[in-house]
This record gives sequence, C-alpha cells and structure tokens, in this order.
Amino acid sequence: AQRVTQPEKLLSVFKGAPVELKCNYSYSGSPELFWYVQYSRQRLQLLLRHISRESIKGFTADLNKGETSFHLKKPFAQEEDSAMYYCALSGRSGAGSYQLTFGKGTKLSVIP
Amino acid sequence: ETGVTQSPTHLIKTRGQQVTLRCSSQSGHNTVSWYQQALGQGPQFIFQYYREEENGRGNFPPRFSGLQFPNYSSELNVNALELDDSALYLCASSPTATLYGYTFGSGTRLTVV
Repeated sequence: AQRVTQPEKLLSVFKGAPVELKCNYSYSGSPELFWYVQYSRQRLQLLLRHISRESIKGFTADLNKGETSFHLKKPFAQEEDSAMYYCALSGRSGAGSYQLTFGKGTKLSVIP
Repeated sequence: ETGVTQSPTHLIKTRGQQVTLRCSSQSGHNTVSWYQQALGQGPQFIFQYYREEENGRGNFPPRFSGLQFPNYSSELNVNALELDDSALYLCASSPTATLYGYTFGSGTRLTVV
C-alpha cells in the first residue's frame, strides 16, 4: 500500500522567511513524487515533479529515499505563496496500474 | 479548448438517487482519473481509465462506476447516493500513466441531502 503523510495542517511564516513543507511517504517500489498547489478559488495544479529536479516559483524538493521524504522548500517566502499544498505519490496499485495518492495537505500562510 | 473541463459545477441530489458527472480530458491525454475530495481532506483516488479500460481502482464500492469514451472524455456514475458522498469530485487527465503528472479540472461539488 502507498501512503503520503503531511504532518502539518497549517504552516504560518513571515514574508522573506524560509519555508519547508514536510512530506513523508510509504511505498515499496520506486516512487514518483509530486507537489501540487491550490491557490484560493483555483484548481489544483502541478507545482513540481521529483523526476525533473526543477525549481518552480523558487520552490525545490529533493527526494530522500533513506528518509522516505520529499519536503518542499523555498528560501524566501512571498505573500503570493499562500495556498494549499499537497504532496502526492504515483505508484503501481495491486492491479498493476498507476494511481496517485495524496496527502491531506498543508495550508501555507505567509504573513506580510 | 485545452485543459480539463468538468460539468456540472454544482449539483444537489437526494439520498438514494443516482448521479452522472462528466469530464473532458485535455487534448492529447489518453488517461483519465477521478478523485473524491471531502472537506479538509486531500483528493482520494476513485479509479483510472486508459484507452477506455479501467486500469486502477481505489477503495470505493462498486456503486461508483465510470466510463471513458473514444474521444477520451469520461463519466463518473454514483448509484444509491449516501450523505457521505457529498464532496468535490475531481477529474484529472494525463498523456500517459503518470510520469508527467496530471492536469486537474475545477471539479463538481456534489451535495447529497
């Protein structure tokens, strides 16, 4: 079974402070991990994928297989980063197909 | 139009009724999946379709069923609605199984009374 845990329901930081949104996963194979973001009144959208090792809007995330973590980081928070963030894992289900498992999400609030 | 579109945006049904939700995949995407998002929770995987065949299912009862059509649009059907089925239902499409991530629609808000 695959599971994604986001331990913080809410994270408040001051503008300009570093941000780290935690994500831990449980999966027996090689996972594909993603971060999705949902801004107020907007649809869920892909922020970044571990496979591409990219930086989007200043955010990065490194897959740590030893700690089974995929934490999302940004050195300096901006007010426009305030949103709901979901960590997600894509892995093969028992039927051999892929499925996307989401964490419960962390609401990031950046204080001006 | 590019992007994933879902209809209707809102729906109110009575317990015991049946409902059909619709989704148009993003152009070029042959995989579609459906999610249920209860208030305050992350999306939960219902099932996935690839080239008109169901190829993955989450922990949902058989009264949740779906279809994918040759144009890759999709339907989610829920029979014998229960109060707990009230949620936001999200459709997402992908060009393949998942390496590229999914593109989500805005969802259908279903309220069962």
